[in-house]
Parts: sequence; structure tokens; C-alpha cells
Amino acid sequence: ETGVTQSPTHLIKTRGQQVTLRCSSQSGHNTVSWYQQALGQGPQFIFQYYREEENGRGNFPPRFSGLQFPNYSSELNVNALELDDSALYLCASSPQLGTTGELFFGEGSRLTVL
Amino acid sequence: SQQGEEDPQALSIQEGENATMNCSYKTSINNLQWYRQNSGRGLVHLILIRSNEREKHSGRLRVTLDTSKKSSSLLITASRAADTASYFCATEETSGSRLTFGEGTQLTVNP
Repeated sequence: ETGVTQSPTHLIKTRGQQVTLRCSSQSGHNTVSWYQQALGQGPQFIFQYYREEENGRGNFPPRFSGLQFPNYSSELNVNALELDDSALYLCASSPQLGTTGELFFGEGSRLTVL
Repeated sequence: SQQGEEDPQALSIQEGENATMNCSYKTSINNLQWYRQNSGRGLVHLILIRSNEREKHSGRLRVTLDTSKKSSSLLITASRAADTASYFCATEETSGSRLTFGEGTQLTVNP
């Protein structure tokens, strides 16, 4: 069974640029959630995707957008990068929508905005 | 916004001692979960306790939940140096399936 994989692991961008982060969910999981974790903080919910539709969004501006593909993999896109976007971006999958169960996290993508 | 508040923020103990971390939250929940994170890595699920449960055990872990006080505690018994990590509580609110995390407790277990 393949776990959640994320790419790239590290990247550096400059203010104003755009970034795309990718996530492959665990086999058999159709729900993907994205979290932002600033240094020294707990993860904050960005949004969740289920069967290619956004299903819930946290307090993040529209320049944070996402996609989920038919194979349940997902992308997080951030436009017009700001310095405060520097963080660890975590993808998590779960077996089905609304499951009251654990999330399976990837190792994250560390984004640095200069 | 963070739902949970955890204390202490940092905890340093010797191997073999017990470690207790506390979490408080604000809204009604379906369940509360504890996760572990090694420095800069992904989160690993440790244990889940449902809102109608009061205590749960898993190996060296013991979790309690008091919904009247909106609080939970995680006890790690007979700690090991390998337990050194950040520990986060996360709540699943009754309004949805997202998890809301606390700020975390940094646990250091000294050999």
C-alpha cells in the first residue's frame, strides 16, 4: 500500500510568483485535505477535495486554489506569493468523505518565499 | 484560527518518566485526535477518541476526554528518547469533517 506522497519536498520562490504543489493520495482514498503549517504553529486547514469538488475551505484568500484529479491526486496552487506564505504545506488523505477517522499525511512541501 | 490550546508548550523529561499533555477546545466535536510530528516532517496519527468515550488506551498511550470541560489529555508512559517530537491535538467539529489543530506541545525525552 503506497502512502501519501508530496512533491516537491523543498522549493524557494520570490514574492509575486506562483507555485504548484502536488499530492498523491494513499491507495483507495478519495478525499484529500491541504494544510498550511507555519514554523512553530499547528497546521491550519486550507481546503478539502472530494471526487474532484471542493468540499470545505478554511480562512484562506482566493489566491489559494486547488484541484483534484480522477485518480484522486491533488494540486495546491498559490498565486501572487507573499512572504507570509512561507510554510510547510501538508497534504492528507482519508478513505471517504465524512469519515470520522484519522488523516494520513504526507511529508510535506517546504515553501520559502523571499 | 486554532480551535485547541495545548499546554505545556514545551516539556522536558528523563527517559522512563511519564509525559502528560493537555488540550482544550471551544466547540462541540465528533472526535478528538492526537498526532505526532518529528521535526519538519509529516504528522502521524496516534489515537482517536470519540465524543461519547471518556478514556482510551493504545500501547503506552492513554487519552482522556472530558466534553463538559472541553478538554483532553494525552499520557505517554515509560517515555523513550524516540518519543521526542511535537504532539498535536486535533478536533473534528460536528459541523464538518475538517480537523482543527492546536499549537502543539514540544516533548523532549532526555536519555
